[in-house]
Amino acid sequence: QSVLTQPPSVSGTPGQTLTISCSGAVSNIDSHYVLWYQQFPGTAPKLLIYKNFQRPSGVPDRFSGSKSGPSASLIISGLRSEDEADYYCATWDDTLGGRVFGGGTKLTVV
Amino acid sequence: QVQLVQSGPEMKKPGASVMVSCKASGYTFNNYGITWVRQAPGQGLEWMGWISPHTGKTNFAQRFQGRVVMTTETSSTTAFMELRGLRPNDTAVYYCARDEDGYKSEIDHWGQGSLISVSS
Repeated sequence: QSVLTQPPSVSGTPGQTLTISCSGAVSNIDSHYVLWYQQFPGTAPKLLIYKNFQRPSGVPDRFSGSKSGPSASLIISGLRSEDEADYYCATWDDTLGGRVFGGGTKLTVV
Repeated sequence: QVQLVQSGPEMKKPGASVMVSCKASGYTFNNYGITWVRQAPGQGLEWMGWISPHTGKTNFAQRFQGRVVMTTETSSTTAFMELRGLRPNDTAVYYCARDEDGYKSEIDHWGQGSLISVSS
């Protein structure tokens, strides 16, 4: 069981705006920066969002992040077929004294 | 450009140990820590621990305490992760990634992953 809770799957249609949630606690999301990763099958994760809402260079502005209390969200606007991937949130947890990842969310574009 | 190149796949018997290497280039090795993350087949990402090449300081996930060793070799800009007492459920892809402080920094660049299979 992951400390951070994500929906196992979400789906959307091209052009839609979609949100992936990441629910945590005071000891993790509420107190620390959240990271978001995109992972395609057979490849390493790629950093999408850092410090809750910052985008590394090269990441399209269709991807955005937000945080409120112990929960965070990844928002994908103008959904495209190439966005089909697994998405993970991550942060630090004070109780565990280490990094933690969400269980991951599989995004399907129908 | 920042690159992390990992060692190749390995097959191990239960009880054995495995060492995965991670060769870093394109940045000042001592200025960034290395985080290790694993992913079992069809499963999510699991943080294993972090090491600072500059100080040698480590921080391990509780479930790996006593079973994992992380080291770095500054001369070759290479990080190593050794996992001992392998079990079949240690079968996973093991990733190294650049992680400046192992705490609030972003884990930004990742290696390609090393598949470790454990089976009798």
